[in-house]
Amino acid sequence: DTAVSQTPKYLVTQMGNDKSIKCEQNLGHDTMYWYKQDSKKFLKIMFSYNNKELIINETVPNRFSPKSPDKAHLNLHINSLELGDSAVYFCASSQPRIGYEQYFGPGTRLTVT
Amino acid sequence: AQKVTQAQTEISVVEKEDVTLDCVYETRDTTYYLFWYKQPPSGELVFLIRRNSFDEQNEISGRYSWNFQKSTSSFNFTITASQVVDSAVYFCALSEESWGAQKLVFGQGTRLTINP
Repeated sequence: DTAVSQTPKYLVTQMGNDKSIKCEQNLGHDTMYWYKQDSKKFLKIMFSYNNKELIINETVPNRFSPKSPDKAHLNLHINSLELGDSAVYFCASSQPRIGYEQYFGPGTRLTVT
Repeated sequence: AQKVTQAQTEISVVEKEDVTLDCVYETRDTTYYLFWYKQPPSGELVFLIRRNSFDEQNEISGRYSWNFQKSTSSFNFTITASQVVDSAVYFCALSEESWGAQKLVFGQGTRLTINP
């Protein structure tokens, strides 16, 4: 059984479009995250939700809007896509306390042309 | 702010050699956690180990071992008798508390290539 899943795995779209990436975890975790991995492989947190509530919002453009319909799902919607948004986006989940490892989804490679 | 440095951008060794990946961190917290993740060519991120700041015992898991030294703020990872399947990008990460939640601060990653 897949622990953290993301769809789609690949997303190619044009500048200016709006797109969404979906994430689901079946680990029973309360906390979910979105990370961005750039072309140099650098990983940086974007958002974190705990039990559907936003708790971490790094300096991400407000074109990015996460939504958590329930604690097992955390979706990422991106408006007005730009070339610089091209990256791999990872969803992750963990127990809510400090020190617990985060389990990552397979990633979504977004290419904006 | 927390910071993780993996000074080795790329390492290439021949199969069966031992290899050590360095990780140096900076934090003002007295309690913190360190992690290693593996990203194979297929792209997923695989959790390898977690270590808390109060536990300086070295850990061994098969061919993998980790050396945590608070005095030098290092958490190095050694692969013994490396195999081609160990080829991957390896990330060291440090937990940082933010508004009661945890976020991981990652190092730049070390690309390890094991040649047959």
